[in-house]
Amino acid sequence: VLTQSPATLSLSPGERATLSCRASQSINNYLAWYQQRPGQAPRLLIYDASNRVTGTPARFSGSGSGTDFTLTISSLETEDFAVYYCQQRSDWPAWTFGRGTRVEIK
Amino acid sequence: EVQLVESGGGLVQPGGSLRLSCAASGFAASSYWMTWVRQTPEKGLEWVSNINEDGSEKHYVDSVKGRFIISRDNSKNSVYLEMNNLRDEDSALYYCVRSARGDLWGQGTLVTVSS
Repeated sequence: VLTQSPATLSLSPGERATLSCRASQSINNYLAWYQQRPGQAPRLLIYDASNRVTGTPARFSGSGSGTDFTLTISSLETEDFAVYYCQQRSDWPAWTFGRGTRVEIK
Repeated sequence: EVQLVESGGGLVQPGGSLRLSCAASGFAASSYWMTWVRQTPEKGLEWVSNINEDGSEKHYVDSVKGRFIISRDNSKNSVYLEMNNLRDEDSALYYCVRSARGDLWGQGTLVTVSS
């Protein structure tokens, strides 16, 4: 089970966002972060905890290992207000997703 | 353009069947595991099924085992999900996803199971 917190994060553009994802047991580094904007499919941002996908802006960074993981957005841009999901593939071929954190404009 | 395009969704009665298709373009799907993921407001994102590169290995979430069948036709660069004995709780937006990392998603096809 992946637990994301907080459920909603209300911030202003330019602020720092810190999103948490906690696994119920160790998943090593097999954790990914996705961004989903309204009406769009999820988009992979970070894989294996800290690796940015080509095209992911440098303001996005992932950290953590074992059971505790963090996605940090260093300075929010307007297009970053969206829902973020964490996903584990430690149980490959099965995937598990968290319930998401909504980052909204304050 | 590298993309996945799903089709085949629609409205179906409980107990009915649908066949979803996922057409890959801009890359060889035969080089990747392919996965189906569904999404609802109530349950969020849920892994449904995946298939390895040559179709010899298939996996399903427990709730669809015995009802859904995943397959692929690499000559057509496509993946399929045959859904039988559909239930209300199968209603969702179904996404096709590339690779074990989930690095490319289609836009989804909506399945509604209702009488």
